[in-house]
Amino acid sequence: KAGVTQTPRYLIKTRGQQVTLSCSPISGHRSVSWYQQTPGQGLQFLFEYFSETQRNKGNFPGRFSGRQFSNSRSEMNVSTLELGDSALYLCASRGQVSTDTQYFGPGTRLTVL
Amino acid sequence: GQQLNQSPQSMFIQEGEDVSMNCTSSSIFNTWLWYKQDPGEGPVLLIALYKAGELTSNGRLTAQFGITRKDSFLNISASIPSDVGIYFCAGHGTQGGSEKLVFGKGTKLTVNP
Repeated sequence: KAGVTQTPRYLIKTRGQQVTLSCSPISGHRSVSWYQQTPGQGLQFLFEYFSETQRNKGNFPGRFSGRQFSNSRSEMNVSTLELGDSALYLCASRGQVSTDTQYFGPGTRLTVL
Repeated sequence: GQQLNQSPQSMFIQEGEDVSMNCTSSSIFNTWLWYKQDPGEGPVLLIALYKAGELTSNGRLTAQFGITRKDSFLNISASIPSDVGIYFCAGHGTQGGSEKLVFGKGTKLTVNP
């Protein structure tokens, strides 16, 4: 079974621009979560989608948004990029049951100049 | 909010030595997870623990879910150079009616051959 895939793997943007990241979960998984990882803050939860609905949200500003499609693929969007948004963005998927274990993708390395 | 205290922050050991790291929390978790992350990659699940007191092994790795449900440890026996990486604990539970997966700050392991 293929793992979680994320595209692109690397991205360079400038301040003020917007970016869209994509995540394809493990086949059959309906939940997708997004995390931001930085050296200083560690892994910070952004949001989780299940069956196209956002079911959980972390403490990030409204510039960070996401959505999930009917095939469970998910996108994350960051608008008006700031230097501090430079991070590794990780996507994780899990099955239908709330206690299912999360499996991570390789991440998208975003650099904001 | 829920916090995980993971220790030690870093470890420098010789190949062949055993390693132990742990996570503690002031809150109860229903599931404990241990992940390993290599540079530039997403975390990879090592061991999942679902029941208080559970002791689970995965090759040279052994992890336990504390009976108080507030702590967990991970042991690595006979370390080898490829054990190098950052190890994260994660606790899954509910906070304010919402499910949360909370991560520790990680333990960076260096193995000298």
